Amino acid sequence: ETGVTQTPRHLVMGMTNKKSLKCEQHLGHNAMYWYKQSAKKPLELMFVYSLEERVENNSVPSRFSPECPNSSHLFLHLHTLQPEDSALYLCASSPSRGGASGELFFGEGSRLTVL
Amino acid sequence: AQTVTQSQPEMSVQEAETVTLSCTYDTSENNYYLFWYKQPPSRQMILVIRQEAYKQQNATENRFSVNFQKAAKSFSLKISDSQLGDTAMYFCAFRGLYNFNKFYFGSGTKLNVKP
Repeated sequence: ETGVTQTPRHLVMGMTNKKSLKCEQHLGHNAMYWYKQSAKKPLELMFVYSLEERVENNSVPSRFSPECPNSSHLFLHLHTLQPEDSALYLCASSPSRGGASGELFFGEGSRLTVL
Repeated sequence: AQTVTQSQPEMSVQEAETVTLSCTYDTSENNYYLFWYKQPPSRQMILVIRQEAYKQQNATENRFSVNFQKAAKSFSLKISDSQLGDTAMYFCAFRGLYNFNKFYFGSGTKLNVKP
């Protein structure tokens, strides 16, 4: 496999469930990201892991918990979500130090529906 | 903080015609990168074109070109000879030269190419 792979592609969960989203990149990048994509809104950066730092958006609720065991894998653990958390969750990677221009490479996304 | 504004939520164009998508941004930085990303329906987001702010020449990639006006902080995307496969959401994005992990996105423009 090449590129950035996300699983599952679709997830439906109740508000009391605990689930996880998984992301894997095969590009040799050192930075990985979680973005939330909601209709008619800019992409919202949730978390970044890179060699240098973990960056969090302070507005992300604690019911979202990231985990990055190594530079190729990234997880987003979900617990007691709310219906407004329903969205497309995008994983991306990039060279940590920017590379040519440090563009982002995205996965296909995980469509989350919270009932 | 940087902001990116896409003022056209949705646009339509006839196949084979030309369309221009608008993007403006706000920054106090002098050197940075600008990007246009394409997200086809239910498919992953991919890079269309990028522009380095220190280059005066507008970037071109086949049928895609940009009009970069640094003083006006404007970065529009022109698609020539539109094809049905160009139907997608288009996102404008900004990244500072040294903030490798901080990307700022607009809210997107939905482009419909009609046969």
